[in-house]
Parts: sequence; structure tokens; C-alpha cells
Amino acid sequence: DADVTQTPRNRITKTGKRIMLECSQTKGHDRMYWYRQDPGLGLRLIYYSFDVKDINKGEISDGYSVSRQAQAKFSLSLESAIPNQTALYFCATSNGGPRYEQYFGPGTRLTVT
Amino acid sequence: GQQVMQIPQYQHVQEGEDFTTYCNSSTTLSNIQWYKQRPGGHPVFLIQLVKSGEVKKQKRLTFQFGEAKKNSSLHITATQTTDVGTYFCAGPEGNEKLTFGTGTRLTIIP
Repeated sequence: DADVTQTPRNRITKTGKRIMLECSQTKGHDRMYWYRQDPGLGLRLIYYSFDVKDINKGEISDGYSVSRQAQAKFSLSLESAIPNQTALYFCATSNGGPRYEQYFGPGTRLTVT
Repeated sequence: GQQVMQIPQYQHVQEGEDFTTYCNSSTTLSNIQWYKQRPGGHPVFLIQLVKSGEVKKQKRLTFQFGEAKKNSSLHITATQTTDVGTYFCAGPEGNEKLTFGTGTRLTIIP
């Protein structure tokens, strides 16, 4: 079984809808991250969390919110989806700070029409 | 904030040719990581460099960290079809997170 899982893997939704992307990990890591990937822009950090009580905004947090329900679960929500949030979303975990490698989930491809 | 740029954005090479991607940071980095993302896949960690001027090799891949610790490169010798994908560098921003480069997408012409 994969160490970092994401659901759903693909989602098409309409403008204005609320949507939640979920991430679970079995690696026992405290740190979890949500990234967004767009062609030519690389991976941009949306939110990150060091534990269930520690949530931090990344460089592009506007329009998104997160919830760290447990050490193993970190959810990303779009309260009112808009077309320019169409992208590939990745969850990642790490066992420490930036000197530690990050482990990525398989990604969620989100399309907002 | 910190910026990490990579060039080129795209690279098409004939199978067997060499390939190089360059990574440049706006700030000095304590370390740099490289990741590979296969088409349709997710980024996977390749290596980390820590020391100024460090060079590391993984089979046909050679990674370098600049003397000033603001740039890095990945060189692939004699590319194979298995090398196809997007290569990202990533540098730390403070002690909390990584800033990923814009990526270089490599395609191989058989």
C-alpha cells in the first residue's frame, strides 16, 4: 500500500461549489504539505502543518483552507471553487525540516468548469 | 520571498545525447534537493547536496552544488527513454519549508 494517499484522484466540479481533497499517510511523519502544480510554474505551497495544532499559510493560500484532523490526515478545501483553481494538487509529508526529503502522494487532478 | 528558477523550461533530446538543467536561487541555500516527476506521476526525491562545490553521482546522473551555494545543476549522460520526466530542484526557505524550482521537462526522441 502507498505511504501517502490522496482522494479523489480526479474531480470535475462547477464554479462556486465547495470541494474537499483528502490526504492520508502511514509514514508517521508530523509535517504535511499541500502543493499546487501548474505548467511552467512548478510546485507552489498552499498550506503546511507541523502537527494537529500548527497550521501555516504558504505562498498561495487565498481561496483555500485546510484541516489537520489527526497526525495522519490533512485535508484541503476550496470553499467556492473558481476556474483558475483548475490544477494538479499534491499532498506531501516529511520527517523534519527542509533538510529532510518530502514524500508525495499520487496527486488529485481538479477541474473547475 | 525566495525565488528558485530553472532553465530550460523544456528540453527535447535525441536518445543517447546528454542533458543538463540549471537551478538558480535568489538567496544562498543551506542545501538543495532534486526531485524527478515521471509523466502522470508524482515528484520523487533523487538526492540532496549540502556542501559548497559538492558533486554527487547516481549512475548516469551528476549533481553539482555551486561554490556560492546559490546554484545547482543536474547532468544526465547518454539519455535513455527512462529519463523522461520533469526535474525539479528545491531549496529551503527558513527552517520550515522548501521552495521548488519551476522545473525542466525532458522529452526523449527515440
